[in-house]
Amino acid sequence: QLQLQESGPGLVKPSETLSLTCNVSGGSISSSSYYWGWIRQPPGKGLEWIGSIYYTGSTYYNPSLKSRVTTSIDTSKNQFSMKLSSVTAADTAVYYCARLNYYDNYPFDYWGQGTLVTVSS
Amino acid sequence: DIQMTQSPSSLSASVGDRVTITCRASQSSSIYLNWYRQKPGKAPELLIHSASTLQSGVPSRFSGSGSGTDFTLTITSLQPEDFATYYCQQSYTAPYTFGQGTKLEIK
Repeated sequence: QLQLQESGPGLVKPSETLSLTCNVSGGSISSSSYYWGWIRQPPGKGLEWIGSIYYTGSTYYNPSLKSRVTTSIDTSKNQFSMKLSSVTAADTAVYYCARLNYYDNYPFDYWGQGTLVTVSS
Repeated sequence: DIQMTQSPSSLSASVGDRVTITCRASQSSSIYLNWYRQKPGKAPELLIHSASTLQSGVPSRFSGSGSGTDFTLTITSLQPEDFATYYCQQSYTAPYTFGQGTKLEIK
């Protein structure tokens, strides 16, 4: 059974960089059938796609965050990561990592449990 | 960006009821439409992909229909675990976008 687990600091200061890693177990991150992505959810609000990455390192991002976000993938460790720079209180959210299934028209079919990141001094 | 609008935003129903949630896209998303259920404090879980395909392991009381800009999620015979928030999401083109959610509450 595929499992995804986010990790990273739960508290980040304004203007600093938020860094998260998603560890994937029970399956290979190098499969050509899947992309890997990040989604966030501010407390009490809806879901926002942040960006996605392929095992080759190819990336695409939400234009609303593109200037501040970078993602990377480490196939040797079976994990991928995200960095969001110049954070503000508006970036406080639960951050999820998820798998996008190419063959099923790109739904997010597996999700991590999510990690709450609070931006505060 | 394709804007996704769900209706209603909230809904009250009883165990055993049949409910329908609607999702409308601001432009065609073909059948690249997915439905998720999110229980409080948990990650969303995929119910339906490609507008009408039931995800493996999901109970058959869930069904989806539609194409283009108009989609529906139907739940027959509501169970206690179905009282949650439901989201539609288009995966036709990036940026992938979600509806604002429909909160299904116990009457």
